[in-house]
Amino acid sequence: AQSVAQPEDQVNVAEGNPLTVKCTYSVSGNPYLFWYVQYPNRGLQFLLKYITGDNLVKGSYGFEAEFNKSQTSFHLKKPSALVSDSALYFCAVRDGLTGGGNKLTFGTGTQLKVEL
Amino acid sequence: EPEVTQTPSHQVTQMGQEVILRCVPISNHLYFYWYRQILGQKVEFLVSFYNNEISEKSEIFDDQFSVERPDGSNFTLKIRSTKLEDSAMYFCASSIGQGKYNEQFFGPGTRLTVL
Repeated sequence: AQSVAQPEDQVNVAEGNPLTVKCTYSVSGNPYLFWYVQYPNRGLQFLLKYITGDNLVKGSYGFEAEFNKSQTSFHLKKPSALVSDSALYFCAVRDGLTGGGNKLTFGTGTQLKVEL
Repeated sequence: EPEVTQTPSHQVTQMGQEVILRCVPISNHLYFYWYRQILGQKVEFLVSFYNNEISEKSEIFDDQFSVERPDGSNFTLKIRSTKLEDSAMYFCASSIGQGKYNEQFFGPGTRLTVL
């Protein structure tokens, strides 16, 4: 079974400071990892993904995430936060096993609040 | 930029009634999904659909639920006899393929309220 943990319900950061939103995962095979963002009354918007290759992946709006296989983590990062980054962030995983299905398993979400 | 659309944005129904939630996936996508998010909880997978049949479903997706692609553009989720606990935001998603190409694009959601 695959699972995702987002240990922080909320992360507060000052505008201009770096931000990190944490995610750890568990899968049987190789993980396919995703970050989505949800703004109020909107659907989930894709930010970035890790499939294979470089452990540091870059995505939309200046976000990046670092895959760490030994720590089974995929933390979302941004060097300089903006107030407009305030939203709900979801980490998701899919098991890369052949025949593992397409379903995404989501974490519980982390509310990011960026203040002036 | 192409996007997934869903109608209605909000549906209110009485317990025991049937509801149909509608989605128009991105036109060249081949895989379709429904997820739901109960208020304050995480997004949960319901079902995936490919080549006009269900490819995977969760334990939530019982006999009360069904999906259909009635024409070349719509993808629907039907709940036959709604329960109070079906109240949630329902998201439709689509992807062009599976595996490495399984970047799922989500619609804005339909908020279902069962009274």
